[in-house]
Formats: sequence, C-alpha cells, structure tokens
Amino acid sequence: AQSVTQLDSQVPVFEEAPVELRCNYSSSVSVYLFWYVQYPNQGLQLLLKYLSGSTLVKGINGFEAEFNKSQTSFHLRKPSVHISDTAEYFCAVSRKETSGSRLTFGEGTQLTVNP
Amino acid sequence: SAVISQKPSRDICQRGTSLTIQCQVDSQVTMMFWYRQQPGQSLTLIATANQGSEATYESGFVIDKFPISRPNLTFSTLTVSNMSPEDSSIYLCSARGLALNEQFFGPGTRLTVL
Repeated sequence: AQSVTQLDSQVPVFEEAPVELRCNYSSSVSVYLFWYVQYPNQGLQLLLKYLSGSTLVKGINGFEAEFNKSQTSFHLRKPSVHISDTAEYFCAVSRKETSGSRLTFGEGTQLTVNP
Repeated sequence: SAVISQKPSRDICQRGTSLTIQCQVDSQVTMMFWYRQQPGQSLTLIATANQGSEATYESGFVIDKFPISRPNLTFSTLTVSNMSPEDSSIYLCSARGLALNEQFFGPGTRLTVL
C-alpha cells in the first residue's frame, strides 16, 4: 500500500515570496506522483505530474516539483507567489504498474498568500 | 483531458432523505470514481463505479448507504441514502482518461444535511 505525508498543514507567505510545499511518500513499488490544487469552493485541478524521466517537473501557473527517489519526496515549489495562489494543495500517488491503481492523497496543505 | 460536470452543485437536505448526484464526462474514460471530502479534510475514496455492474466499495462504505450506478462509459450517479448530519460533505466525481496515469475531477457537490 502507498501512503502520502504532507508535512505542513498550513503555509502562510507574503506575496512575491518563494514557497515550498513538502510531500513525502511511502510505497513498496514504483509510483506516479501528482500535485492537485483546490481553489475555494471548487473541485481539484491537476497542477503537475511525475511519470518518468527528468526529475524536475514543470506544471501550470509557474509551479514545479522535483522527484527525489532516495528521499521519497516530491516537493512543490514556486519562486514568487501571487494572492491568487491561495488554495489547498494535495499531493497524491498511484502505483505505476497497475492500470487500475487508485490515487492515494495526502492530507493537504493550505497555502495562504498575504499582501 | 476530460471535463466533468456534476449536478447538483450544492444542496441542503433534511435528515432521513436521500439525494442522487449525477456525474457526466465529456469524453471516453476508463474508470470513474466517487470521493468524499469532509470539511477541512482530504479526499476519501468511496467506490469505483463499474460500467454495467456493481460498484467496488472501499472499506467503511456500503452499497445500501451509497448506491452507485454507471449505465455507460461517461455517466454515473451516487445516491446518499437516509442522510444524517454526518453525511455533510463535498462529494466529488472523478474519472481516469485513456492515458491511465491522469485522473480528472468534477467541481464537487456540496451537501449539507440538517
């Protein structure tokens, strides 16, 4: 079974500051990794995903994440945040080999960008 | 990518009644799922909706409480039966595209049970 730990439940930052949202996972097999964003009163939107290849993945809205296999981490970063980035962010994993593998989500990190 | 719509977007219901949530995907998908997101929490998988057969439920969820249908590849319904205030949550429909490593989510149905 897989598990996901998001190390920070809340991250407050000031506008234009850099941010890192931390995600660690546990799995006995290879996994795909995802970051989703949920804006207030909306569903989930895929930010980026790591499937294979380059460990640095770029997503939408200027976000990027780096897969670190040795540390089993997939931290999300943005060099300069905007007020509009205020949202809940979810890290998720699924097993790589199984076509029907379900997504396992972390508990979420609330990013609040203050002016 | 797939666009998923849900109806209703929100509802306020009385204890003991049932609500059926509809989910429509605009393109062919392989798998459909229903999730629950309780206030301030992460997503919990309720079940996988199987086309033309009974859904596959996760531990802690049963068919009598959450009957699910999937009559075709792009449509599914979730019923929340005999509701209690503890059922107040966001219910999200999700679908996996033909590229099996990508999963899309609907906007959610915000349910409040009084």
